[in-house]
Amino acid sequence: DQQVKQNSPSLSVQEGRISILNCDYTNSMFDYFLWYKKYPAEGPTFLISISSIKDKNEDGRFTVFLNKSAKHLSLHIVPSQPGDSAVYFCAARDSNYQLIWGAGTKLIIKP
Amino acid sequence: DVKVTQSSRYLVKRTGEKVFLECVQDMDHENMFWYRQDPGLGLRLIYFSYDVKMKEKGDIPEGYSVSREKKERFSLILESASTNQTSMYLCASSLHGGPYEQYFGPGTRLTVT
Repeated sequence: DQQVKQNSPSLSVQEGRISILNCDYTNSMFDYFLWYKKYPAEGPTFLISISSIKDKNEDGRFTVFLNKSAKHLSLHIVPSQPGDSAVYFCAARDSNYQLIWGAGTKLIIKP
Repeated sequence: DVKVTQSSRYLVKRTGEKVFLECVQDMDHENMFWYRQDPGLGLRLIYFSYDVKMKEKGDIPEGYSVSREKKERFSLILESASTNQTSMYLCASSLHGGPYEQYFGPGTRLTVT
């Protein structure tokens, strides 16, 4: 049973518009949530994170929102740029300090 | 900057061969991890290690073993490669008990024929 779900395998967004990537989880004991970005033939790179005690964290064009009651988090990218085209993974840290990963969402930024 | 390197970017092996994938990190991280990434399944943890000579099974350890003789090096071994082990293998490292960020190598695309 997947504890971290990214239900959209892909998302296409016009350059300059907002990209919203979603992630749902089932385990209320997760204490940190992270977003990673992955280009083809490269390893994932850390993008942004949020503690379970917060509801928002912002870093430049990237903002992560956490809704604990809904067990839902989202990553907002604004404005979207061509270099943002990549696969985005949501991950959550469990009580054993392991990261539980979603399946990923492929973001395509159209010029 | 943290650097995690993996011994091969692409590897083709035959069924039944023994396969070694090596990973080296240069930031003195205690924790090291091996994942495999398959389409639609995200990253799945194979094995991890919190210290030299220490190893723990992840979610999918069957068919794999690991070795950590030095802090900076973590090896993944496929004792007898099978076609269902064709995948992207990713190594990662992180500080123990501290920041939760894992730093990844570039990955090894393994094809077993």
